[in-house]
Amino acid sequence: NAGVTQTPKFRVLKTGQSMTLLCAQDMNHEYMYWYRQDPGMGLRLIHYSVGEGTTAKGEVPDGYNVSRLKKQNFLLGLESAAPSQTSVYFCASRGRSDTQYFGPGTRLTVL
Amino acid sequence: DAKTTQPNSMESNEEEPVHLPCNHSTISGTDYIHWYRQLPSQGPEYVIHGLTSNVNNRMASLAIAEDRKSSTLILHRATLRDAAVYYCILDAGGTSYGKLTFGQGTILTVHP
Repeated sequence: NAGVTQTPKFRVLKTGQSMTLLCAQDMNHEYMYWYRQDPGMGLRLIHYSVGEGTTAKGEVPDGYNVSRLKKQNFLLGLESAAPSQTSVYFCASRGRSDTQYFGPGTRLTVL
Repeated sequence: DAKTTQPNSMESNEEEPVHLPCNHSTISGTDYIHWYRQLPSQGPEYVIHGLTSNVNNRMASLAIAEDRKSSTLILHRATLRDAAVYYCILDAGGTSYGKLTFGQGTILTVHP
């Protein structure tokens, strides 16, 4: 039981490049979330999903897209990366227990 | 969303109890009080949550004021591994789809 995993762990992009962050959970959870955390700050919600095939905007959705084609996976896409998107990205999932389980994070630097 | 207020930082000595306060004066009747913590270079991890009654688990205890406008996370014997940022978060339950709003939290330093 791996819990929540994130791929990749680190990435450096140039401005304008695109990439996709993958989140996978093996707990059969319905809800999944993408957060970003800037230095010295708390986490902010980017997008979330309440089930397979559904997505919704969170607090800071601009510049990001998401997809939930399979229940266990939640993808976060950056179509044209900007330096303001330099951050640590965390994925989380939640089942019936009202507890969110977080992944280890992806550290992204946009030059 | 109802907000929480926490001290920026607190310090403790190893093996002593730690009381981390949180104010949430605008809490609504259906908001759950959640605590998460984030160890250095890791994702947040769940600590405890409650609605009205005090709660205990293997990690900590949660004491909730009778008027629910404040709560306290209690670590009974702090260890060096408890050094982390502790977040107090209100969760509106089903209607919010579990969305959490993180503040800046309390940085707990534990001295050996």
